[in-house]
Amino acid sequence: DTGVSQNPRHKITKRGQNVTFRCDPISEHNRLYWYRQTLGQGPEFLTYFQNEAQLEKSRLLSDRFSAERPKGSFSTLEIQRTEQGDSAMYLCASSLGGISYEQYFGPGTRLTVT
Amino acid sequence: QKEVEQNSGPLSVPEGAIASLNCTYSDRGSQSFFWYRQYSGKSPELIMFIYSNGDKEDGRFTAQLNKASQYVSLLIRDSQPSDSATYLCAVGPAAGNKLTFGGGTRVLVKP
Repeated sequence: DTGVSQNPRHKITKRGQNVTFRCDPISEHNRLYWYRQTLGQGPEFLTYFQNEAQLEKSRLLSDRFSAERPKGSFSTLEIQRTEQGDSAMYLCASSLGGISYEQYFGPGTRLTVT
Repeated sequence: QKEVEQNSGPLSVPEGAIASLNCTYSDRGSQSFFWYRQYSGKSPELIMFIYSNGDKEDGRFTAQLNKASQYVSLLIRDSQPSDSATYLCAVGPAAGNKLTFGGGTRVLVKP
């Protein structure tokens, strides 16, 4: 198994710009999760998909954030009109689903908004 | 009250000793429990998971779960300097949905 991959690994953007991140889960994993982590904190849930269906979205996720998983494989997370408070590590995880709950994380995308 | 609580540390442990980490959670409906290791600047790495009350051992790691008392712990035996990292406790519902993480415990293993 190749692990979860994320691109880009680092992104520096200016406030007000839009950014898009990509996540490729472990093959055959039908659940895909997005989390955000700031320094000194544990990861915070953003949203998750089972196949192409987005099943839950955090109330903390503003309408500037949108995520898709169009064919049930890779996923994208877009942030529109970025703000300095969006600076964080964006983590993607996947799990097999069914009775297998273990989530495996990718390397993350570190976003810096200047 | 935070949903998942951990002592932030640092927990300083001599090389070769046992490191004991604790985590408490507030949601009595939680059914799945995980320990992740995170090195500075890296993403979390799953090291243990436990779903039933009792102990689960994997190599130098032992996870302990007590649902009645709503705590889960991690023991690291024969601690090595390479075990120096932040250990994150994560809790989830039975349906395998989102995980709720604690803030992590920083462990320092001194040679």
